[in-house]
Formats: sequence, structure tokens, C-alpha cells
Amino acid sequence: GESVGLHLPTLSVQEGDNSIINCAYSNSASDYFIWYKQESGKGPQFIIDIRSNMDKRQGQRVTVLLNKTVKHLSLQIAATQPGDSAVYFCAENIVDTGRRALTFGSGTRLQVQP
Amino acid sequence: NAGVTQTPKFQVLKTGQSMTLQCAQDMNHEYMSWYRQDPGMGLRLIHYSVGAGITDQGEVPNGYNVSRSTTEDFPLRLLSAAPSQTSVYFCATNKMDKETQYFGPGTRLLVL
Repeated sequence: GESVGLHLPTLSVQEGDNSIINCAYSNSASDYFIWYKQESGKGPQFIIDIRSNMDKRQGQRVTVLLNKTVKHLSLQIAATQPGDSAVYFCAENIVDTGRRALTFGSGTRLQVQP
Repeated sequence: NAGVTQTPKFQVLKTGQSMTLQCAQDMNHEYMSWYRQDPGMGLRLIHYSVGAGITDQGEVPNGYNVSRSTTEDFPLRLLSAAPSQTSVYFCATNKMDKETQYFGPGTRLLVL
């Protein structure tokens, strides 16, 4: 059974549409951000990351946008596929502390309708 | 190369019982961490280690002990389980000079 995300915000999109998942982070000193995808019964899987000296980074079908002014991070998924259905987490860290442990947001569930 | 492995996959305990959750990695990563994940919440850091012989507390360390005798292994111990420790536990690793963490498949723990 699913122990994650019983009360998560949910984004429902049609297959082939673009998806945008948003995240507000709390620590203005954070300088590294990462998006993870978590499928049911599995551990989080790395998608894409970005450092605070950038405001945009692109990967394969995914783009992360960072707005440090309002402490906002977004993940854009192009041409969303059924396999993209999962819970998506943003996470933040302060690199200079040397601490590699991440602070996670509460997650967003993405449901892709065929 | 198995990456990060965790055992057991699922465990049921009675209140007051003790157990050890195992985490092993074969990527020679210096950093290892334990997180717990509760419904509707993100992952919260329990303990972490920057190398063999070195551990430190995270956000929610109470009720858990860790040790790091080797680079490969980072066990998490519950000395006296409580229902509040019912959760899914994830182990994660990363290289010292990289922030990207790699997660294991998780251990689902139910404390009755």
C-alpha cells in the first residue's frame, strides 16, 4: 500500500500535455536545489538539480526554474507520459556547511490521464 | 553494482522491541544518511555520517542510534520501538563533493 502522499496536493494532466510542479523553499541561505521523483513503493529518484547561481537548467524533457527573489522552484515536464505519474519532491541544501543531508518539501502527486 | 540496499523490506514490531535496519552501499560514497517518511510529508533526516567512525544527528534523532564502522554499512537501531516510529525508512548516500543523494528502496516499519 501507499504510505506516502495520502494528503498531498495533486496535479492531474492529460498525456502529452506539459506539467508544472511548484515548490516554495524556506531557507534563503540555501544554494543547491534538487528534484526527486518517487514512485509507489520505491525510494526517491534523482531528476535534476540546480545551483543558486543559475535560474534555469534543462534536462531530458525536464526543466527546473529557480526564482531566488521569491524563494520559488518549479519543475516543468514536457509531453507528460503515464510513466511520469509519481510523487515529486523538491529538496534544498546549503553547500558551504559541508552537510550533505537535504531538507525536503512535502511533495506533489502528479497523475497523468491517458 | 547494487547501489544502495536496505533490509528488511518490511517489518512489524511490538512496542518496546528492538531492531536494526540495515543499509549497505557499494559505491564507495563517504556520506550516508537515514530519513523517515510519514504520510503527507517529505523525508526528514534522522542521522547522518560523513565517513567511517563519524556520525551526527539530524532533524528527528530521538529514539534512534547509528554507527558507522565501515564505509559500506550504516545501520539504524531502534532500541525500544514506539508506535510513533511507524514509518518508511530510507537510507541515502552521496560522494563528499557531490550533493546528489542516491536512495535505497526503503524499509516499511509498523510498530503495534
